[in-house]
This record gives sequence, structure tokens and C-alpha cells, in this order.
Amino acid sequence: NAGVTQTPKFQVLKTGQSMTLQCAQDMNHEYMSWYRQDPGMGLRLIHYSVGAGITDQGEVPNGYNVSRSTTEDFPLRLLSAAPSQTSVYFCASIRDGSSYEQYFGPGTRLTVT
Amino acid sequence: DAKTTQPNSMESNEEEPVHLPCNHSTISGTDYIHWYRQLPSQGPEYVIHGLTSNVNNRMASLAIAEDRKSSTLILHRATLRDAAVYYCILRRSVYSGGGADGLTFGKGTHLIIQP
Repeated sequence: NAGVTQTPKFQVLKTGQSMTLQCAQDMNHEYMSWYRQDPGMGLRLIHYSVGAGITDQGEVPNGYNVSRSTTEDFPLRLLSAAPSQTSVYFCASIRDGSSYEQYFGPGTRLTVT
Repeated sequence: DAKTTQPNSMESNEEEPVHLPCNHSTISGTDYIHWYRQLPSQGPEYVIHGLTSNVNNRMASLAIAEDRKSSTLILHRATLRDAAVYYCILRRSVYSGGGADGLTFGKGTHLIIQP
């Protein structure tokens, strides 16, 4: 199993550009989440999904869109990048709703200039 | 979810046991205690979780106080690779109304291992 994979590893955007961060998992997990981590801080939840076709907002959803057309994929779209979205983005899948054991991807480091 | 309190940083020597404390005085009966760690430049990694009883796995042990208001993550023999930020997180299971909205990560404990 590859686990949770994320692409790209690094990205530089100009203000106003849009892009999609890719996330995929091969563990057949129903639950998936997107977090962002700013320097010196813990992770904050952006969006999450409890299954294909079902998504919901987390703590900091503004400026981001998600969709979940398959169990495996959970892309995060930045609609119009802003410098405040400079961060490291982590995708996670969740083993089950009881233990809530999460598996994280390696992260995407995004810089918006 | 209830809040946890951890020391900002701790230091230990290589090959010695490490006890990382976590206070959670407002824990509810259905909250699981989770521990994750984050190595430099990597995503968080699941370490262990428990509800009431002490738990052991290949990475660590989790000791839970009888009143569940505190817990301790035990690394039995620290190595340099254990240097990371350790997060103690409370989470109600989805089946107890906890929702599926992720984990709330605080700032954690920065564990420094001296050779």
C-alpha cells in the first residue's frame, strides 16, 4: 500500500492564481480530511469528507473547495490564491470512526507571492 | 472536544525512557485519548490511543490515570529518531456523536533527545 499520497510536494503561486492539490489513498478509508499547518502552530482543519459525494467544512474553509467523487481521491482547490494561504497542507484518511486513527500524507508546501 | 494541556518542551537522553504528560481534566466518558507525533518536515504520525485501560504497541505505551484526567505517553527507550513534536488529543468516537470533523491539534510537546 502506498498509503496517503499528495502532489505536488512544493508549489509557488502568484496572488489570484488557482490550483488543485491532489490527495489519494489506497486503504479504502471512508473518511478523509484536509489540514493546513502554519509555522509554529498545530494543524487546522479545512474540509473533510465522510464518503464519496459527501463533504463538509472544517475550522478554516474560506478560499478552498473540495469534492469527493471517488473513495480514493479528495482534491483541494484554491480558487484565487492569497498570501494568507501560504502554508503546508496535509491530507489524511481515517481508518474507522471508532478508533479515529488517521494516516497523513507527506504534505504540500505552498507559497503564494 | 475537551482541551488538553502539555508542556511546551521536554528533553531526554538517548536510550533512556521518556514520559510525556498530558492533562485533560474536562474529559468526557466517551472521549478517546490519542497521541500523534510529527517529525521535522513530515506529516503527523499516529502513535497510540486508548479509552480507559493502559495500552501498549510497538511504538509506545499509554498510561491512563484512573480518573482519566491525565495520561502519559511512554517511550521505553528513546532514540534520536524519536525527536519530534508529540500531540495529545481527545476525540469522541464518531459513533458517540463525535462527528467526522478531524482532530484538534494544539501546539504539542517538542521532545528533544540528547545523544
